[in-house]
Amino acid sequence: GDSVTQMEGPVTLSEEAFLTINCTYTATGYPSLFWYVQYPGEGLQLLLKATKADDKGSNKGFEATYRKETTSFHLEKGSVQVSDSAVYFCALMGNAGNMLTFGGGTRLMVKP
Amino acid sequence: GAGVSQSPSNKVTEKGKDVELRCDPISGHTALYWYRQRLGQGLEFLIYFQGNSAPDKSGLPSDRFSAERTGESVSTLTIQRTQQEDSAVYLCASSLASRTRGYTFGSGTRLTVV
Repeated sequence: GDSVTQMEGPVTLSEEAFLTINCTYTATGYPSLFWYVQYPGEGLQLLLKATKADDKGSNKGFEATYRKETTSFHLEKGSVQVSDSAVYFCALMGNAGNMLTFGGGTRLMVKP
Repeated sequence: GAGVSQSPSNKVTEKGKDVELRCDPISGHTALYWYRQRLGQGLEFLIYFQGNSAPDKSGLPSDRFSAERTGESVSTLTIQRTQQEDSAVYLCASSLASRTRGYTFGSGTRLTVV
């Protein structure tokens, strides 16, 4: 079945550091890929998505590129802020188009 | 409505009591999902409704858990005889039946069983 693996946290960075959170997936066909963010005390919000190979999703300075050849969708940001502190979830939706499969989440802590 | 609405936002209950959690999805979203998130952990799928089809209940952890949805509107998740291990945030999400849209989540109900 479909699965998503993302790096375990917590990831602790200083403000303005470069961020990478790795995400790899296993799925048949061509899934759609998503990153969700969960700020403290809140529900999950869609951060960005990519629906086909080589697409780049971007939002709020975050980017992720759908790499079919490496089955990856790594999240990057060039300069993190304290306000980016949150839990980040990578997810995929398979060809059936009815269920998101989530990774375990990665907690990011940004220190001033 | 504009977003997915869940109520109550917080619920403290005594062990052994029944609780009912409510989710009001985005109007027009045919799919509705319930997830559980224990403290510091990832998302645990519970149940999925799609239109008038039979729900996918494969994630429900025990027969104390049940959920209903009337048509494409409100859903209720019921936990009977609550246990301390049921303490978690219960998240509801809704979506269109599209592989490119993802879900829209509610803010969750934080359940504490004491």
